[in-house]
Amino acid sequence: DQQVKQNSPSLSVQEGRISILNCDYTNSMFDYFLWYKKYPAEGPTFLISISSIKDKNEDGRFTVFLNKSAKHLSLHIVPSQPGDSAVYFCAASEPGTYKYIFGTGTRLKVLA
Amino acid sequence: NAGVTQTPKFQVLKTGQSMTLQCAQDMNHNSMYWYRQDPGMGLRLIYYSASEGTTDKGEVPNGYNVSRLNKREFSLRLESAAPSQTSVYFCASGSTPSSNQPQHFGDGTRLSIL
Repeated sequence: DQQVKQNSPSLSVQEGRISILNCDYTNSMFDYFLWYKKYPAEGPTFLISISSIKDKNEDGRFTVFLNKSAKHLSLHIVPSQPGDSAVYFCAASEPGTYKYIFGTGTRLKVLA
Repeated sequence: NAGVTQTPKFQVLKTGQSMTLQCAQDMNHNSMYWYRQDPGMGLRLIYYSASEGTTDKGEVPNGYNVSRLNKREFSLRLESAAPSQTSVYFCASGSTPSSNQPQHFGDGTRLSIL
């Protein structure tokens, strides 16, 4: 039973346009959500997070939106740059736990 | 600025051999983690250590053992390697859950078992 789902394995976007990566979850106990970026042959790098008391968090070109009623999380990258080409993982955790549950990842390709 | 350091970066084993993957962090984090990443599966938690002296099972612990050697170091051991354990292994470290601070990952160990 996959509690965190990224249904789009890949996404291609033109440079300068918006990239929207989606993530759905089934566990209503999750209260902390994160996005990680991963380049080949490197470890995941933390990008941005949001707690369940918020519905939006912004950091430069990156914005994460949380829709708790729909159990849906999205990452917006504006404007997209070729260096953003990577695999993006969303992750979630329950209150007071050490365990992150990861989605399967979305490979983003930003075309120059 | 080392962060989380994993050794070795690559390893090839034969079925039945044993192997210890090493991980060290210099961020003074209390908690440490071992994940494996397989194609189409995302990252799955093998074991974690909430603090020095404690370890707990994650989602996929079978076939693995761990040791929290001290606050900095957390090792993962395969006693009798199997082809199903061919994977990329990532170590991570983090603060306490209440801090809502993210886990930080090493660059991984790519392990092939023939």
